[in-house]
Amino acid sequence: NAGVTQTPKFQVLKTGQSMTLQCAQDMNHNSMYWYRQDPGMGLRLIYYSASEGTTDKGEVPNGYNVSRLNKREFSLRLESAAPSQTSVYFCASSVRPGGNEQFFGPGTRLTVL
Amino acid sequence: GDSVTQMEGPVTLSEEAFLTINCTYTATGYPSLFWYVQYPGEGLQLLLKATKADDKGSNKGFEATYRKETTSFHLEKGSVQVSDSAVYFCALTRMDSSYKLIFGSGTRLLVRP
Repeated sequence: NAGVTQTPKFQVLKTGQSMTLQCAQDMNHNSMYWYRQDPGMGLRLIYYSASEGTTDKGEVPNGYNVSRLNKREFSLRLESAAPSQTSVYFCASSVRPGGNEQFFGPGTRLTVL
Repeated sequence: GDSVTQMEGPVTLSEEAFLTINCTYTATGYPSLFWYVQYPGEGLQLLLKATKADDKGSNKGFEATYRKETTSFHLEKGSVQVSDSAVYFCALTRMDSSYKLIFGSGTRLLVRP
């Protein structure tokens, strides 16, 4: 039982390049989330998927797109990376939306030059 | 809007010292409150939670009591260990919001032998 897995662990991009961050969970959770973590700012929600087939914007969605590929997988795409997107990205999942425990992946450290 | 405020770190303690990390919140209604812990290089893990006023969450020797009158959820441990060195995040969610965990900025704890 791997929990929440993310790939890649590290990535360096040049400004304007695109990439997709992958996330998968094996806990049969309905809801999945993408956060970014910046120094001194805690975690901020980028996008979430309350259930398979739905996605919605969080606090900081600009510059990102998401796909809920199936119940297990939720990807985050940067179409044209900018230095302001340098951050650590975390995927999380929960049984259902709202006030429940979220389980986090190990994170992807992204640097945009 | 809803928010969480944590004491700034880093907090540096000697092993076996008493720990308090302050957390206060602003939210309408009756939020659920959480403490998450992030060990170096890892994602966040739920440490404890409380879902209503006067509830006490506890885990691994850590405790926090949901105080509605002071809108606080302070984290305490009677005797810290070197292995407790990590970043601690206070968070809330309202039961009427569909997705949001709102995080504080995190407090880094360093425990010296």
